[in-house]
Amino acid sequence: QQQVKQSPQSLIVQKGGISIINCAYENTAFDYFPWYQQFPGKGPALLIAIRPDVSEKKEGRFTISFNKSAKQFSLHIMDSQPGDSATYFCAASHSGYALNFGKGTSLLVTP
Amino acid sequence: DAEITQSPRHKITETGRQVTLACHQTWNHNNMFWYRQDLGHGLRLIHYSYGVHDTNKGEVSDGYSVSRSNTEDLPLTLESAASSQTSVYFCASGLSGSSTDTQYFGPGTRLTVL
Repeated sequence: QQQVKQSPQSLIVQKGGISIINCAYENTAFDYFPWYQQFPGKGPALLIAIRPDVSEKKEGRFTISFNKSAKQFSLHIMDSQPGDSATYFCAASHSGYALNFGKGTSLLVTP
Repeated sequence: DAEITQSPRHKITETGRQVTLACHQTWNHNNMFWYRQDLGHGLRLIHYSYGVHDTNKGEVSDGYSVSRSNTEDLPLTLESAASSQTSVYFCASGLSGSSTDTQYFGPGTRLTVL
């Protein structure tokens, strides 16, 4: 049973546009929600993370929106650039223990 | 600089052979994890360890084993490799109960079982 569901599976956005990836979870014990970025042939790298005590966190062009009551969180990439083309994974965990990953979203930003 | 390394980076083996993938981290993290990545499945947890001599089964542990004799290393063993274990394997490490809970991933090992 997958504990974190991610959508869409793939996404194509024009340069300068906004990329939005959504995730939903079931386990209310989760208290850490990171997003990872992965380029081909590389390991996932932490992009941004949020805890459920805040509704939004912004780092540069990347923003996480968190809705605790709906058990949903999303990643927004503003002013998307071709260099953002990668696979993005949402995840959730409890107190730093094993991450439960979504299945990933392949993002392509066209020039 | 602290880091997490995996070896080998690429491995081709035959069905039925025992294979061990190495993972080494220099952050002194107490938690270490093994994931496999397959198209359409994302990253799935194989085994994990929260400290020396501690090991736990993850979502897809059948056919795999780990042992933790020190803080730095968590080798993953495929007892008798099967074609279904062809995948990319990632090791990760992190701290539990920390302010960040960040997990750091290694570069991965691409394993092909023929």
